[in-house]
Amino acid sequence: DVKVTQSSRYLVKRTGEKVFLECVQDMDHENMFWYRQDPGLGLRLIYFSYDVKMKEKGDIPEGYSVSREKKERFSLILESASTNQTSMYLCASSSVRRGAVDTGELFFGEGSRLTVL
Amino acid sequence: KQEVTQIPAALSVPEGENLVLNCSFTDSAIYNLQWFRQDPGKGLTSLLLIQSSQREQTSGRLNASLDKSSGRSTLYIAASQPGDSATYLCAPISGNTGKLIFGQGTTLQVKP
Repeated sequence: DVKVTQSSRYLVKRTGEKVFLECVQDMDHENMFWYRQDPGLGLRLIYFSYDVKMKEKGDIPEGYSVSREKKERFSLILESASTNQTSMYLCASSSVRRGAVDTGELFFGEGSRLTVL
Repeated sequence: KQEVTQIPAALSVPEGENLVLNCSFTDSAIYNLQWFRQDPGKGLTSLLLIQSSQREQTSGRLNASLDKSSGRSTLYIAASQPGDSATYLCAPISGNTGKLIFGQGTTLQVKP
């Protein structure tokens, strides 16, 4: 089974702190994603990456950066945490579509609930 | 820009009922569509992936259909059980990057 592991289930940080959220997948997937989920707003894409050292902005990249130095690991970085970044953060991975074989099924981690005080 | 709508937003049914969850999307140029389940405070669990060449997919008591031309998908749950209580989300997959856009979800409560 595909496993996507997020390093921390719960974090509490103070305003202005630098925050690292780590995500590791064990299925050699090319694509990795970071979403945040908020009540009433649903899941929104922050950043995604479809290869090592590649990154693309999602719908709400402001205040975030990402790092993908190895294929299996995708990190979300909050350079200076703010209270409006209190949220549930979800990492996901998928394989690319290859020719006539449609894959692309997305697998999620358990989520990291971040509280910024 | 893809927009996804799920109806109803919430549903409460007695155990044993068959039910249908609806998902509509504005951009029909999708490759696949995926249905997920989310329990409170947890991540998303993949239920079904309907590939672009398929019209439906079945797993146990779940059946999902896809009509790309009309921009609709439905998730059918047969003989609902209290353990089915969760939020169900649909997400069409656009492009080779596998980017998904999510609906707001349908929160289901099945009463014993």
